[in-house]
Amino acid sequence: AQSVTQLGSHVSVSEGALVLLRCNYSSSVPPYLFWYVQYPNQGLQLLLKYTSAATLVKGINGFEAEFKKSETSFHLTKPSAHMSDAAEYFCAVRNYGGSQGNLIFGKGTKLSVKP
Amino acid sequence: EAGVAQSPRYKIIEKRQSVAFWCNPISGHATLYWYQQILGQGPKLLIQFQNNGVVDDSQLPKDRFSAERLKGVDSTLKIQPAKLEDSAVYLCASSFQGGNNEQFFGPGTRLTVL
Repeated sequence: AQSVTQLGSHVSVSEGALVLLRCNYSSSVPPYLFWYVQYPNQGLQLLLKYTSAATLVKGINGFEAEFKKSETSFHLTKPSAHMSDAAEYFCAVRNYGGSQGNLIFGKGTKLSVKP
Repeated sequence: EAGVAQSPRYKIIEKRQSVAFWCNPISGHATLYWYQQILGQGPKLLIQFQNNGVVDDSQLPKDRFSAERLKGVDSTLKIQPAKLEDSAVYLCASSFQGGNNEQFFGPGTRLTVL
């Protein structure tokens, strides 16, 4: 069975500072991993995905994530936070045990950006 | 291209009442998902359709929840009767063919059960 764990339900950074949101996965097969962002009162939007190609994945809005098999991690980073990055971020893994394409989500990390 | 549409956006009901949510996926998307997102948690899959057939409903509380996707396009999710613990955001998503195709999410319906 697959699962993801997001460390830290709330992260606060200053504008211009590094953003680091942590995600660890558990999977008995090579995982497909995703990061989604959710703005208030909106649905989820895909930021980036890892599908066993390059281990460093670049996404939208300047975000990137690195797949580290030895650490079972897929942390999301952005070099310089912007006020518009304030949102909730979800890490997800594709569920191989269930139906095709089904995603298993972490509990989410709410990012606050201080001016 | 229009996104995934959901209605209503908000719904408040009392326990034991019934409620229905509607989803219109992106045109041409064969796979449709309903997720439940309880406050403070990530979305959890309730049911997945491929065209008008159910692929996975293993986490759907079938004693009170039902869903259908007639003609393989629009879908409705119904709760009858609702319980307090059903208070959540119900998200609909669609993808071209499931698998590793990107899932596109609608804005969700926020349900409050009093």
